[in-house]
Amino acid sequence: DQQVKQNSPSLSVQEGRISILNCDYTNSMFDYFLWYKKYPAEGPTFLISISSIKDKNEDGRFTVFLNKSAKHLSLHIVPSQPGDSAVYFCAASGRRAAGGTSYGKLTFGQGTILTVHP
Amino acid sequence: NAGVTQTPKFRVLKTGQSMTLLCAQDMNHEYMYWYRQDPGMGLRLIHYSVGEGTTAKGEVPDGYNVSRLKKQNFLLGLESAAPSQTSVYFCASRTGGLSSYEQYFGPGTRLTVT
Repeated sequence: DQQVKQNSPSLSVQEGRISILNCDYTNSMFDYFLWYKKYPAEGPTFLISISSIKDKNEDGRFTVFLNKSAKHLSLHIVPSQPGDSAVYFCAASGRRAAGGTSYGKLTFGQGTILTVHP
Repeated sequence: NAGVTQTPKFRVLKTGQSMTLLCAQDMNHEYMYWYRQDPGMGLRLIHYSVGEGTTAKGEVPDGYNVSRLKKQNFLLGLESAAPSQTSVYFCASRTGGLSSYEQYFGPGTRLTVT
């Protein structure tokens, strides 16, 4: 049961254009969402996050949008740069699990390979 | 600060052999996690720890054991390796509390079981 899904295995964009990466979730207990970026042979690095009390969070070229009713979030990168080429994972956490705390456990999507062409 | 480090970086095991993966963090984080990454599967949680001396099972714990004898170290053990455990293993850590759920990851250990 894949609770967090990234349905696009790959995305290719031109330098300077917008990259939009999508993520869907099914568990209504999730209330905190994160995006990680991963280069080959390295560990994932945190990019941006959003709490369920917000619908948008912006950090420089990166903006995350959350649509709770649709259980959908997206990451916008504007403008895209060749150095942004990497695998992007969305992750979700539920601060409150039935009967206790989730201890910040993250559920990850499958990842989307972003390629930005010069 | 080194952040999160993992030892070894690569390892090849034969079926039935055992090994221990070491994770160390120098950020005084309370929580530590072990994940495995397989193609098309994202990262899946194996075990986690919310403090020194405590461990708990994650999503895919079978075939693995863990220990957290010191706050800065989290060990992942494979008692009898199987080809299905061929994967890239990542360790992560974070502070306790609800202020941030950001986890910091190590560089990974690539394990092949033949």
